[in-house]
Amino acid sequence: GAVVSQHPSWVICKSGTSVKIECRSLDFQATTMFWYRQFPKQSLMLMATSNEGSKATYEQGVEKDKFLINHASLTLSTLTVTSAHPEDSSFYICSALTGTTHEQFFGPGTRLTVL
Amino acid sequence: LAKTTQPISMDSYEGQEVNITCSHNNIATNDYITWYQQFPSQGPRFIIQGYKTKVTNEVASLFIPADRKSSTLSLPRVSLSDTAVYYCLVAWNSGNTPLVFGKGTRLSVIA
Repeated sequence: GAVVSQHPSWVICKSGTSVKIECRSLDFQATTMFWYRQFPKQSLMLMATSNEGSKATYEQGVEKDKFLINHASLTLSTLTVTSAHPEDSSFYICSALTGTTHEQFFGPGTRLTVL
Repeated sequence: LAKTTQPISMDSYEGQEVNITCSHNNIATNDYITWYQQFPSQGPRFIIQGYKTKVTNEVASLFIPADRKSSTLSLPRVSLSDTAVYYCLVAWNSGNTPLVFGKGTRLSVIA
């Protein structure tokens, strides 16, 4: 079956630093990937849609200059949290859309803790 | 995108059948109904998807009435490992539409 990986699985950083999270589709090509954020005891919130070779589309209220998304290849999208602050601490999950069946497969998530 | 309504939480004993109902009154003709399971600190995992009537796989069954305004996920003989949050989603099954998650149902299975 289709597998999506994320790296790192968890990261702790100091306030003011930037953190990059990778999302990879391991056995299929994904022209579209999605990034979600999930706070404790809450549901997943869609942050942005990442399209290979073009600019990402951000949901209302998500700062594009703070959450930089790069979808440079058909198997990799990256989310960079710039100048991270404690309120950015969350669980970040990506999903990848297959080009053939239009199914979405989710990554295992990345736990970000900003001190 | 169709909005879904589910119970916030449910409790069940091991070995029982659990039915979680989801309301989606504004479902569109092209929308499919999909259920996901999420364990703490993990990404959502696909359980089952259907359009109408009944769908069954090795994990669960999905019952969808003729008007498609609701659906019921049925988990047979639950075990402690089925304790998780279950999300009902309604979305068009084509194109680049992202999945929009509602609040989900937190199922707690008790020994």
